[in-house]
Amino acid sequence: QQPVQSPQAVILREGEDAVINCSSSKALYSVHWYRQKHGEAPVFLMILLKGGEQKGHEKISASFNEKKQQSSLYLTASQLSYSGTYFCGTETTGNQFYFGTGTSLTVIP
Amino acid sequence: EADIYQTPRYLVIGTGKKITLECSQTMGHDKMYWYQQDPGMELHLIHYSYGVNSTEKGDLSSESTVSRIRTEHFPLTLESARPSHTSQYLCASGQGMSSYNSPLHFGNGTRLTVT
Repeated sequence: QQPVQSPQAVILREGEDAVINCSSSKALYSVHWYRQKHGEAPVFLMILLKGGEQKGHEKISASFNEKKQQSSLYLTASQLSYSGTYFCGTETTGNQFYFGTGTSLTVIP
Repeated sequence: EADIYQTPRYLVIGTGKKITLECSQTMGHDKMYWYQQDPGMELHLIHYSYGVNSTEKGDLSSESTVSRIRTEHFPLTLESARPSHTSQYLCASGQGMSSYNSPLHFGNGTRLTVT
C-alpha cells in the first residue's frame, strides 16, 4: 500500500536541481509532500489534487499524474536548508494515510 | 500554527511495563493518526481514527491499542513493552473526514527506549 519513492538518497551542491519521484500501485486522488529534518517531525509542503495541477512552494514545485499514479517533486537552485528527508503521502479509500518510502536529500556547500 | 502535543518527549522503560503515550490537539480535527518511525526510516501507520469512538488498525497495530473518547485526545497504549518497541512515535491530525485536500499536522514525537 505504501508509495515507492526514488531515488532513495541524493546529494546535491548548492544551486543544483533535483527531482524526487513518488509512485503508487493504487489509484491516487491526491498526493501530499512533506519534509522532515533530522530529529524533527515532518512538515507539510504541498498537496496535489487530481487534474495534473502543478503547485509551488518557494523554489519547490510538484506535479501529479493520476493516470500514471505518480507524482514528482522538483527542487530548483537548492539551498542548504532543503536538506532533509522528503516523503510523499496519500490516503486510501479506507481513510488510511500512507507515507512513501522516503528520499534523503543532502545539500552541500 | 498547528497545536498538537505529545507527552512524554522521551521515555526509557523496562521490558514488560505497560505504557501510554499521550497525544492531544486543540484544532478540533476529526482525523488522528499514530506512526512509528525509526531514525531516518519510513513512517509506519499504527492506528488511526476519523472521529470520536472510531478507531482503526494500521499495519503495525498488533501490539498496541488506542482510544478516542474525546475529539482532542488520542492516546496509544503498549500493554507490555519490548525492546523491539524502541522507536519514535509520531502523532498527527487532519481536518475533516478526508485528507484529500487537508494537510496532516504532527506533534514533536515521543522517543521510546525499552531496556
